Amino acid sequence: QVQLQESGPGLVKPSQTLSLTCTVSGGSFSSGSYCWSWIRQPAGKGLEWIGRIYSSGSTNYNPSLKSRVTISVVTSKTQFSLKLSSVTAADTAVYYCARGPPVRGTTGTPFDYWGQGTLVTVSS
Amino acid sequence: EIVLTQSPGTLSLSPGERATLSCRTSQSVSSSYLAWYQQKPGQAPRLLIYGASSRATGFPDRFSGSGSGTDFTLTISRLEPEDFAVYYCQQYNNSPQTFGQGTKVEIK
Repeated sequence: QVQLQESGPGLVKPSQTLSLTCTVSGGSFSSGSYCWSWIRQPAGKGLEWIGRIYSSGSTNYNPSLKSRVTISVVTSKTQFSLKLSSVTAADTAVYYCARGPPVRGTTGTPFDYWGQGTLVTVSS
Repeated sequence: EIVLTQSPGTLSLSPGERATLSCRTSQSVSSSYLAWYQQKPGQAPRLLIYGASSRATGFPDRFSGSGSGTDFTLTISRLEPEDFAVYYCQQYNNSPQTFGQGTKVEIK
């Protein structure tokens, strides 16, 4: 059974960098077929895809956040990380990591396994 | 990017009733690259439907998805108490992948 778990600071000051890690267990992280995404959800609002990475290190980002986002694989571990720079109050949200299975005919994916989410608040 | 519009925003129904949720996309979604998720308070979303009509593991057959092009529907044939939740649609045809704003199914 695939499990994902987010970790990182719950409070970040404005203009600083938000850093989160997702730990994957269950054996599928190293499979090049799956992609691993970050998705966020402000309180009471909808979902926003931030970006994704394959275990090879290949990445894709949402253009709306691309200038501030870096997603990377943690070397030698079944982990991947999110860094979001120059944060403001608008970046306050629950951040989820999720797995995307391969889908024939498109580079997009649904998300079949999710972490429980971690709340990050941007405040001084 | 493709914009997804879900309607209604809130659906007030009683257990045993039928729920019909709509998701419209601003551009055609090829090969039905559309998914639905169920989210309960304090929980992560859970994949419910993929490929517009394929049910994910663990969901009973009272849940069904249909549609193509720009119009998609999630139907819950007879609401059970555990079905009251927020439902989101997502397109994965184009990047960036985008979600609708959600439909809340609440107990009347």
